Amino acid sequence: SQELEQSPQSLIVQEGKNLTINCTSSKTLYGLYWYKQKYGEGLIFLMMLQKGGEEKSHEKITAKLDEKKQQSSLHITASQPSHAGIYLCGADTTSGNTPLVFGKGTRLSVIA
Amino acid sequence: DAGVIQSPRHEVTEMGQEVTLRCKPISGHDYLFWYRQTMMRGLELLIYFNNNVPIDDSGMPEDRFSAKMPNASFSTLKIQPSEPRDSAVYFCASSFSHEQYFGPGTRLTVT
Repeated sequence: SQELEQSPQSLIVQEGKNLTINCTSSKTLYGLYWYKQKYGEGLIFLMMLQKGGEEKSHEKITAKLDEKKQQSSLHITASQPSHAGIYLCGADTTSGNTPLVFGKGTRLSVIA
Repeated sequence: DAGVIQSPRHEVTEMGQEVTLRCKPISGHDYLFWYRQTMMRGLELLIYFNNNVPIDDSGMPEDRFSAKMPNASFSTLKIQPSEPRDSAVYFCASSFSHEQYFGPGTRLTVT
Protein backbone atom coordinates (compact mmCIF):
# COMPACT_ATOMS: atom_id res chain seq x y z
CA SER A 1 0.00 0.00 0.00
CA GLN A 2 1.08 3.54 -0.59
CA GLU A 3 2.69 5.43 2.28
CA LEU A 4 3.43 9.10 2.69
CA GLU A 5 6.36 10.19 4.83
CA GLN A 6 6.35 13.77 6.09
CA SER A 7 9.33 15.64 7.42
CA PRO A 8 9.94 17.14 9.78
CA GLN A 9 7.41 15.77 12.26
CA SER A 10 7.41 19.06 14.09
CA LEU A 11 8.86 22.48 13.51
CA ILE A 12 9.27 25.60 15.61
CA VAL A 13 10.13 28.78 13.77
CA GLN A 14 10.41 32.42 14.67
CA GLU A 15 7.82 34.73 13.19
CA GLY A 16 9.00 36.10 9.87
CA LYS A 17 11.19 33.13 9.01
CA ASN A 18 10.73 30.87 5.99
CA LEU A 19 10.17 27.15 6.31
CA THR A 20 9.71 24.03 4.19
CA ILE A 21 7.78 20.83 4.83
CA ASN A 22 8.34 17.75 2.72
CA CYS A 23 6.10 14.85 1.76
CA THR A 24 7.56 11.75 0.09
CA SER A 25 5.51 8.94 -1.39
CA SER A 26 6.49 5.29 -1.56
CA LYS A 27 4.66 4.94 -4.88
CA THR A 28 3.73 6.94 -7.95
CA LEU A 29 1.85 10.12 -7.19
CA TYR A 30 -1.32 10.67 -9.19
CA GLY A 31 -2.34 13.72 -7.22
CA LEU A 32 -1.00 15.37 -4.09
CA TYR A 33 -3.09 17.42 -1.68
CA TRP A 34 -2.05 19.71 1.17
CA TYR A 35 -4.32 20.33 4.13
CA LYS A 36 -4.00 22.33 7.32
CA GLN A 37 -5.50 21.28 10.63
CA LYS A 38 -5.91 23.25 13.83
CA TYR A 39 -6.25 21.38 17.09
CA GLY A 40 -9.78 20.14 17.65
CA GLU A 41 -10.89 21.03 14.15
CA GLY A 42 -11.21 19.36 10.79
CA LEU A 43 -8.84 19.65 7.87
CA ILE A 44 -8.84 22.68 5.63
CA PHE A 45 -7.91 22.20 1.98
CA LEU A 46 -4.93 24.29 0.89
CA MET A 47 -3.81 23.12 -2.53
CA MET A 48 -3.86 20.26 -4.98
CA LEU A 49 -0.99 19.33 -7.29
CA GLN A 50 -1.47 16.96 -10.17
CA LYS A 51 1.04 14.74 -11.88
CA GLY A 52 3.33 16.80 -14.01
CA GLY A 53 5.67 18.85 -11.86
CA GLU A 54 3.13 21.42 -10.88
CA GLU A 55 3.67 24.42 -8.59
CA LYS A 56 0.97 26.48 -6.92
CA SER A 57 0.89 29.44 -4.58
CA HIS A 58 -1.70 30.86 -2.24
CA GLU A 59 -0.79 33.97 -0.30
CA LYS A 60 2.53 33.12 1.34
CA ILE A 61 2.31 29.36 0.84
CA THR A 62 3.84 27.63 -2.19
CA ALA A 63 3.64 23.93 -2.98
CA LYS A 64 5.64 22.03 -5.58
CA LEU A 65 5.44 18.52 -6.95
CA ASP A 66 8.54 16.64 -8.09
CA GLU A 67 7.16 13.56 -9.81
CA LYS A 68 10.57 11.99 -10.38
CA LYS A 69 11.35 12.06 -6.68
CA GLN A 70 7.72 11.26 -5.83
CA GLN A 71 7.91 14.18 -3.47
CA SER A 72 6.12 17.41 -2.71
CA SER A 73 7.26 20.39 -0.69
CA LEU A 74 5.27 23.09 1.04
CA HIS A 75 7.08 26.37 1.55
CA ILE A 76 5.88 29.19 3.78
CA THR A 77 7.46 32.60 3.35
CA ALA A 78 7.66 35.08 6.23
CA SER A 79 5.76 32.85 8.66
CA GLN A 80 3.09 34.32 10.91
CA PRO A 81 1.32 32.98 14.03
CA SER A 82 -1.72 32.29 11.85
CA HIS A 83 0.33 29.67 10.00
CA ALA A 84 0.62 27.54 13.11
CA GLY A 85 -1.09 24.16 12.97
CA ILE A 86 -0.65 20.68 11.57
CA TYR A 87 0.04 20.33 7.88
CA LEU A 88 -0.92 17.06 6.22
CA CYS A 89 -0.27 15.80 2.74
CA GLY A 90 -2.66 13.38 1.08
CA ALA A 91 -2.29 11.37 -2.13
CA ASP A 92 -4.38 9.62 -4.71
CA THR A 93 -3.54 5.93 -4.83
CA THR A 94 -4.96 5.62 -8.32
CA SER A 95 -5.62 7.94 -11.23
CA GLY A 96 -8.92 8.94 -9.63
CA ASN A 97 -9.71 12.25 -8.00
CA THR A 98 -10.00 11.36 -4.34
CA PRO A 99 -7.14 11.39 -1.80
CA LEU A 100 -7.27 8.28 0.30
CA VAL A 101 -3.82 8.12 1.93
CA PHE A 102 -2.44 10.76 4.30
CA GLY A 103 0.90 11.46 5.89
CA LYS A 104 1.05 11.74 9.67
CA GLY A 105 1.42 15.47 9.56
CA THR A 106 3.94 18.16 10.47
CA ARG A 107 3.19 20.24 13.55
CA LEU A 108 4.20 23.85 13.01
CA SER A 109 4.61 26.37 15.81
CA VAL A 110 5.40 30.01 15.09
CA ILE A 111 6.81 32.03 17.96
CA ALA A 112 7.04 35.79 18.23
CA ASP B 1 -23.60 26.52 3.27
CA ALA B 2 -23.02 25.18 6.77
CA GLY B 3 -20.30 22.81 5.64
CA VAL B 4 -20.05 19.18 6.68
CA ILE B 5 -21.92 18.63 9.92
CA GLN B 6 -21.01 15.93 12.39
CA SER B 7 -22.65 14.89 15.61
CA PRO B 8 -21.98 14.46 18.38
CA ARG B 9 -18.79 16.50 18.72
CA HIS B 10 -17.73 14.53 21.76
CA GLU B 11 -18.76 11.07 22.90
CA VAL B 12 -17.67 9.25 26.01
CA THR B 13 -18.91 5.71 26.43
CA GLU B 14 -18.10 2.53 28.27
CA MET B 15 -16.56 -0.49 26.65
CA GLY B 16 -19.18 -2.75 25.13
CA GLN B 17 -21.66 -0.02 24.37
CA GLU B 18 -22.92 0.84 20.91
CA VAL B 19 -21.77 4.14 19.43
CA THR B 20 -23.33 5.90 16.44
CA LEU B 21 -21.64 8.81 14.73
CA ARG B 22 -23.57 10.97 12.30
CA CYS B 23 -22.63 13.03 9.28
CA LYS B 24 -24.46 15.42 6.98
CA PRO B 25 -22.40 16.14 3.86
CA ILE B 26 -22.47 19.32 1.85
CA SER B 27 -25.46 19.43 -0.47
CA GLY B 28 -24.57 18.42 -4.01
CA HIS B 29 -21.45 16.46 -3.08
CA ASP B 30 -21.48 12.92 -4.41
CA TYR B 31 -18.58 11.47 -2.39
CA LEU B 32 -18.58 10.89 1.35
CA PHE B 33 -15.62 9.65 3.38
CA TRP B 34 -15.18 8.42 6.94
CA TYR B 35 -11.70 8.79 8.46
CA ARG B 36 -10.23 8.02 11.86
CA GLN B 37 -7.35 10.01 13.35
CA THR B 38 -5.05 8.88 16.17
CA MET B 39 -1.65 10.03 17.32
CA MET B 40 -0.09 6.68 16.53
CA ARG B 41 -1.59 5.96 13.12
CA GLY B 42 -2.47 9.42 11.84
CA LEU B 43 -5.45 9.86 9.53
CA GLU B 44 -6.83 6.63 8.11
CA LEU B 45 -9.59 6.12 5.60
CA LEU B 46 -12.27 3.78 6.91
CA ILE B 47 -14.81 3.75 4.10
CA TYR B 48 -16.11 5.93 1.32
CA PHE B 49 -19.33 6.23 -0.64
CA ASN B 50 -20.11 7.48 -4.11
CA ASN B 51 -23.73 8.40 -4.78
CA ASN B 52 -24.70 6.67 -1.52
CA VAL B 53 -23.06 3.39 -2.55
CA PRO B 54 -20.09 2.05 -0.54
CA ILE B 55 -17.09 1.87 -2.83
CA ASP B 56 -14.24 0.79 -0.59
CA ASP B 57 -14.59 -0.42 2.99
CA SER B 58 -11.22 -2.12 3.23
CA GLY B 59 -10.17 0.35 5.90
CA MET B 60 -12.92 -0.67 8.30
CA PRO B 61 -11.05 -2.31 11.19
CA GLU B 62 -13.36 -5.23 11.81
CA ASP B 63 -16.92 -6.42 11.90
CA ARG B 64 -17.66 -4.22 14.88
CA PHE B 65 -17.65 -1.25 12.52
CA SER B 66 -20.41 -0.56 10.03
CA ALA B 67 -21.37 2.44 7.94
CA LYS B 68 -24.50 3.36 6.05
CA MET B 69 -25.62 6.11 3.75
CA PRO B 70 -29.39 5.81 3.35
CA ASN B 71 -29.62 9.00 1.31
CA ALA B 72 -27.48 11.77 -0.13
CA SER B 73 -27.73 13.94 2.96
CA PHE B 74 -26.99 11.54 5.79
CA SER B 75 -24.49 8.89 6.82
CA THR B 76 -23.79 6.96 10.01
CA LEU B 77 -20.78 5.12 11.36
CA LYS B 78 -21.64 2.58 14.02
CA ILE B 79 -19.35 0.73 16.41
CA GLN B 80 -20.86 -2.22 18.24
CA PRO B 81 -19.50 -3.23 20.69
CA SER B 82 -17.04 -0.40 21.33
CA GLU B 83 -13.57 -1.01 22.76
CA PRO B 84 -10.99 1.33 24.35
CA ARG B 85 -8.77 1.04 21.26
CA ASP B 86 -11.54 2.67 19.23
CA SER B 87 -10.84 5.95 21.02
CA ALA B 88 -9.96 8.49 18.32
CA VAL B 89 -11.28 11.46 16.40
CA TYR B 90 -13.60 10.39 13.60
CA PHE B 91 -13.93 12.70 10.62
CA CYS B 92 -16.47 12.77 7.87
CA ALA B 93 -15.61 14.51 4.60
CA SER B 94 -17.48 15.11 1.36
CA SER B 95 -16.43 16.15 -2.10
CA PHE B 96 -17.72 16.87 -5.58
CA SER B 97 -14.39 16.78 -7.41
CA HIS B 98 -10.85 16.96 -6.05
CA GLU B 99 -11.32 19.09 -2.98
CA GLN B 100 -12.51 17.28 0.14
CA TYR B 101 -14.33 19.27 2.80
CA PHE B 102 -13.95 17.94 6.30
CA GLY B 103 -16.34 18.13 9.19
CA PRO B 104 -15.15 19.20 12.66
CA GLY B 105 -14.89 15.59 13.80
CA THR B 106 -16.28 13.53 16.66
CA ARG B 107 -13.89 12.85 19.53
CA LEU B 108 -14.71 9.39 20.83
CA THR B 109 -13.45 8.14 24.16
CA VAL B 110 -14.19 4.55 25.18
CA THR B 111 -13.43 3.77 28.81
